[in-house]
Amino acid sequence: NAGVTQTPKFRVLKTGQSMTLLCAQDMNHEYMYWYRQDPGMGLRLIHYSVGEGTTAKGEVPDGYNVSRLKKQNFLLGLESAAPSQTSVYFCASSRSAGGGEQFFGPGTRLTVL
Amino acid sequence: AQSVAQPEDQVNVAEGNPLTVKCTYSVSGNPYLFWYVQYPNRGLQFLLKYITGDNLVKGSYGFEAEFNKSQTSFHLKKPSALVSDSALYFCAVRALTGNAGNMLTFGGGTRLMVKP
Repeated sequence: NAGVTQTPKFRVLKTGQSMTLLCAQDMNHEYMYWYRQDPGMGLRLIHYSVGEGTTAKGEVPDGYNVSRLKKQNFLLGLESAAPSQTSVYFCASSRSAGGGEQFFGPGTRLTVL
Repeated sequence: AQSVAQPEDQVNVAEGNPLTVKCTYSVSGNPYLFWYVQYPNRGLQFLLKYITGDNLVKGSYGFEAEFNKSQTSFHLKKPSALVSDSALYFCAVRALTGNAGNMLTFGGGTRLMVKP
């Protein structure tokens, strides 16, 4: 049982390049989330999904797109990377949106030059 | 809009002493409240949560938290700190109802340093 995994662990992009971050969970959770973590700002929600085929905007969605074609996977895309998107990205999943805790992946450290 | 404040960027405590990490929140209606811990180069790990019921919640690794509705606080506590408790701690809140029901809002984090 791997829990939540993220690919890749590290990535360096040049401004304007695109990339996709992959999140996978093996706990059969309905809900999945993408956060970014910046120093002193905690975690901020980018996008989330309440089930296969659904996505919704979070607190800071601009410059990102997501897709949830399969229940176990949640993809985060950057179409044209900017230095302001340099951050650590975390994926999480949960069984429900109520009182259930979220389970986090190990993170992806992205640097945009 | 819901929000969380962790007023201390860092808390220093000697091993064996009690520790408190502070958290206050703002939300419409009743809240779900969470504490998570993050060790270096790792994702967040769940510590404990308050949903309803007893205001004192016990969690993993000997941590507990006290929900105080009148002060809108959810402070994390431990009677005797260990060096291995040194980490980054995040408080989070979710509203029970409304459009924000699916969104968890995190505080900025508090770094706990436990010295031998």
